[in-house]
Amino acid sequence: GAVVSQHPSWVICKSGTSVKIECRSLDFQATTMFWYRQFPKQSLMLMATSNEGSKATYEQGVEKDKFLINHASLTLSTLTVTSAHPEDSSFYICSAFHRVTSGHQETQYFGPGTRLLVL
Amino acid sequence: AQTVTQSQPEMSVQEAETVTLSCTYDTSESNYYLFWYKQPPSRQMILVIRQEAYKQQNATENRFSVNFQKAAKSFSLKISDSQLGDTAMYFCAFMIGGNKLVFGAGTILRVKS
Repeated sequence: GAVVSQHPSWVICKSGTSVKIECRSLDFQATTMFWYRQFPKQSLMLMATSNEGSKATYEQGVEKDKFLINHASLTLSTLTVTSAHPEDSSFYICSAFHRVTSGHQETQYFGPGTRLLVL
Repeated sequence: AQTVTQSQPEMSVQEAETVTLSCTYDTSESNYYLFWYKQPPSRQMILVIRQEAYKQQNATENRFSVNFQKAAKSFSLKISDSQLGDTAMYFCAFMIGGNKLVFGAGTILRVKS
């Protein structure tokens, strides 16, 4: 099946520093990737849509300058949390959109997530 | 508005029993895809089952099956022969705009031995 990796799985950082999270589709090419944020026992909140070779599209209320997204290749998207503060502590999940033209199989596959703790 | 409603915040089932998780949705689109994802304590989102809206036949994947009622905009998930490993949060979702997912609030399912 389609596999998506995410690195790191855990990160602890000091307030004011920047943190980069990588999302990779391992066995398929993904022109579109998504970044979500999830609080405990809640649903996934879409932050932004990342398209290869173009600027990301951010959801309403998400600060573009704080959450920088780069989709440099068909298998890699990165999320950088700039000048992180304790309120940015959360679980961040990426997903990659997989389209199989035969049989019209279209699905998002998810990475394992990154737990960010800002002290 | 495009919304997904999961009316059961938490459910419990005995091992080997059958349980049904409910999901309703609202969309004005005619072609879309519906999904159930599972999120166990590891928090890895796992695809359980998918359904194309243009297909009348209900999707099945081993012990997991759906009851898709397009006119009623209902998409329930049935888990047969429940196992301890089925304990997880289950999210119903549909795909719009070609690739964006709209999620429900989730249902926590606990399988008891």
